[in-house]
Amino acid sequence: GENVEQHPSTLSVQEGDSAVIKCTYSDSASNYFPWYKQELGKRPQLIIDIRSNVGEKKDQRIAVTLNKTAKHFSLHITETQPEDSAVYFCAARAIQGGSEKLVFGKGTKLTVNP
Amino acid sequence: EPEVTQTPSHQVTQMGQEVILRCVPISNHLYFYWYRQILGQKVEFLVSFYNNEISEKSEIFDDQFSVERPDGSNFTLKIRSTKLEDSAMYFCASSDVAVPQYFGPGTRLLVL
Repeated sequence: GENVEQHPSTLSVQEGDSAVIKCTYSDSASNYFPWYKQELGKRPQLIIDIRSNVGEKKDQRIAVTLNKTAKHFSLHITETQPEDSAVYFCAARAIQGGSEKLVFGKGTKLTVNP
Repeated sequence: EPEVTQTPSHQVTQMGQEVILRCVPISNHLYFYWYRQILGQKVEFLVSFYNNEISEKSEIFDDQFSVERPDGSNFTLKIRSTKLEDSAMYFCASSDVAVPQYFGPGTRLLVL
């Protein structure tokens, strides 16, 4: 089945710097890749997603890139702010047999230092 | 903006007891899911539910687990005889098509 690896597990940046989180997936048939932000004790919140027919998607300070050939996708946060501090999870949708499940990476704890 | 809601927010139970976790998905959504997250670990898929039946389940979702949509608004997860290793945060999610999926705030289950 699908397996998603996420790196780094922790990331510390200075306010205003950029942060990049990378994920790889194993199933070349996966076609949907969301990113969730989870603040301590709260729900995973969808922040951006990308489908396999698109190479890049941007929403203000957040962007996601997808390389289908290499089976990896990345989250880019520019001009980081302290409120960006959270755990970020990538996920992939495994589509074998019409599956709707999301397979998650292990998460990246991002700390933005003021 | 409509959100998925879950009750209770916390549940403490004794090993062997039954628990029912409740979710109210977003009202026009057709796909419902349960995921769990053991403390400090990644979110894991348990089960998906569509058209009043289970469409997919993981190996975690054994005979001790069941799901139900008892009425037009609630979606429940029942654990028949809880084990210590069932302690986790349980998230309900819903979607109108398969993706994107929107998560509820979770129920933190502690089995003693």
